[in-house]
Amino acid sequence: EAGVAQSPRYKIIEKRQSVAFWCNPISGHATLYWYQQILGQGPKLLIQFQNNGVVDDSQLPKDRFSAERLKGVDSTLKIQPAKLEDSAVYLCASSLGLRGGAKNIQYFGAGTRLSVL
Amino acid sequence: AQKVTQAQTEISVVEKEDVTLDCVYETRDTTYYLFWYKQPPSGELVFLIRRNSFDEQNEISGRYSWNFQKSTSSFNFTITASQVVDSAVYFCALSNEDDKIIFGKGTRLHILP
Repeated sequence: EAGVAQSPRYKIIEKRQSVAFWCNPISGHATLYWYQQILGQGPKLLIQFQNNGVVDDSQLPKDRFSAERLKGVDSTLKIQPAKLEDSAVYLCASSLGLRGGAKNIQYFGAGTRLSVL
Repeated sequence: AQKVTQAQTEISVVEKEDVTLDCVYETRDTTYYLFWYKQPPSGELVFLIRRNSFDEQNEISGRYSWNFQKSTSSFNFTITASQVVDSAVYFCALSNEDDKIIFGKGTRLHILP
């Protein structure tokens, strides 16, 4: 079974530029998550989708970050304009999405490492 | 509020030694889930184990074992006879029934040959 796919693996941009990350979750997984992982810290949830609807985006800096999952499968996370403090690894994860129970295990992609200069 | 504390920032041991990674959590929920993930240098978080709050049985999987104690709010992870391939950052995490995971800051483990 294919895992969570993310691209690109690395991105270097200058501040105030825009950038987009793509995620393809595990087939059949209804729930998709985007995390930000700053160096030396654990991942922090940015946004959670259930199918194509947003479940939680309370920690997404909406003035510059946006995300969509139009057909309930792939997802895109965008930053516009980027700031220096956005330098981090952006991780995508997916789960079957059944509330609680044994199906809430999240599987992660390899992430996109963003450097903002 | 939920919180996960991994007090050990970095640990180094010589290969074949046993090593225990500590995890202490805080939650007001009666139903919750605890996880351990491994993050090798490649960057992907690899799922190791999930435990729910009603199951305090310890678990062993090969060289890995987990000790869940609700009385001390701890979920510690032991690697027996460590190997160089075990070198990674290990994250303990906590979620409620909303499936939102809170991660600890991680413990970087170095296994020296």
